[in-house]
Amino acid sequence: AQTVTQSQPEMSVQEAETVTLSCTYDTSESDYYLFWYKQPPSRQMILVIRQEAYKQQNATENRFSVNFQKAAKSFSLKISDSQLGDAAMYFCAYMVRQLTFGSGTQLTVLP
Amino acid sequence: ETGVTQSPTHLIKTRGQQVTLRCSSQSGHNTVSWYQQALGQGPQFIFQYYREEENGRGNFPPRFSGLQFPNYSSELNVNALELDDSALYLCASSLRTMGEETQYFGPGTRLLVL
Repeated sequence: AQTVTQSQPEMSVQEAETVTLSCTYDTSESDYYLFWYKQPPSRQMILVIRQEAYKQQNATENRFSVNFQKAAKSFSLKISDSQLGDAAMYFCAYMVRQLTFGSGTQLTVLP
Repeated sequence: ETGVTQSPTHLIKTRGQQVTLRCSSQSGHNTVSWYQQALGQGPQFIFQYYREEENGRGNFPPRFSGLQFPNYSSELNVNALELDDSALYLCASSLRTMGEETQYFGPGTRLLVL
């Protein structure tokens, strides 16, 4: 069975600084997708970034980028120039047909 | 906004009752997945529907059932409600193509079972 582990239940970052959220996963599949979703207090799950496992190049979306290490089964999210609106629960997820989520990292952004 | 809608937003039921939750997919999407998110946890996969057929199921008992309609909207039905069914229920829609299937979530239905 696939598992996703987020070892940081809580993280904090100063506004305008950079923070990295960690994620590891376990799978025997070779083709899969990895995602980071953000869930603010409104509870709406919002897609942040997506990575295809067959692509070596790390995905980037504006201030959000990933460090994908396929051999190590690691998929971390870097948020640059953190903003107050980035405060939320962040979930790492693995996908082959359906999503398997980690337990989440609560990110606080300090003004 | 993802274009995925869910109703109702909140619901209170008592143990043993039945509940139906509804989801409207984003336009053009043909796949709907349902997830249960207990407080303080990540979402857990319940099942997925593709073109009106169940296409994968997580570790949930048969009292959790679903439907997908020709317009790709979907229902989640839960019979004989238990206290542990209290959770946020999330619906996600996607377009199944050649393996790539990013899921977009609705705002969820919060169910409280008393």
